[in-house]
Amino acid sequence: EVQLLESGGGLVQPGGSLRLSCAVSGFSFSSSAMTWVRQAPGKGLQWVSVISASGGSTYYADSVKGRFTISRDNSKNTLYLQMNSLRAEDTAVYYCAKDRTYSSGSPRGQFDYWGQGTLVTVPS
Amino acid sequence: DIQMTQSPSSLSASVGDRVTITCRASQSISNYLNWYQQKPGKAPKLLIYAASSLQSGVPSRFSGSGSGTDFTLTISSLQPEDFATYSCQQSFSTPYSFGQGTELEIK
Repeated sequence: EVQLLESGGGLVQPGGSLRLSCAVSGFSFSSSAMTWVRQAPGKGLQWVSVISASGGSTYYADSVKGRFTISRDNSKNTLYLQMNSLRAEDTAVYYCAKDRTYSSGSPRGQFDYWGQGTLVTVPS
Repeated sequence: DIQMTQSPSSLSASVGDRVTITCRASQSISNYLNWYQQKPGKAPKLLIYAASSLQSGVPSRFSGSGSGTDFTLTISSLQPEDFATYSCQQSFSTPYSFGQGTELEIK
């Protein structure tokens, strides 16, 4: 059974930092690109970042570029999102998701399994 | 960046109805279009990828079509469990982007 479990969310002051983790099981993590998607309260889905299977390629939404860093530890089957310089507009539930990855390890941008999400709150 | 626009934003329908939701991209994205279903308090679920391919385990009453800039998600006969929010997403290029969502409500 595929499982993704996010952790690390919480309340953080503006300008602060937080690191989210996503522990996975039930599939070949080292062969899968992974992504983070967020959803502000009552709003739609917003893609945040994607990392290739090897970790060699990463991409970001403009709204988080330079502040957030996606990374992975394939030996621990864990995905990370380091979030710095947090702002009120970063308040959201953050989901990690598995990508229907190309055999090369590059992302397809199709997210077939999702975690339950972790809430990050940055007060204004 | 590619903008995705869905219509309608909300829709009321009855069990057994045929429902169509539209998604338009701000530029051609070939068939790099995916559809998700999300219920309140839950994670999104992939329904359709590559515009028309049904994700494993998804009922056949769901179908997708389109190419270029215009796409549709159709539910052939609504079931009670289908009342949810539906979002399209382009995977043509990063930054990936979602539509604003269509909330499907019970009439």
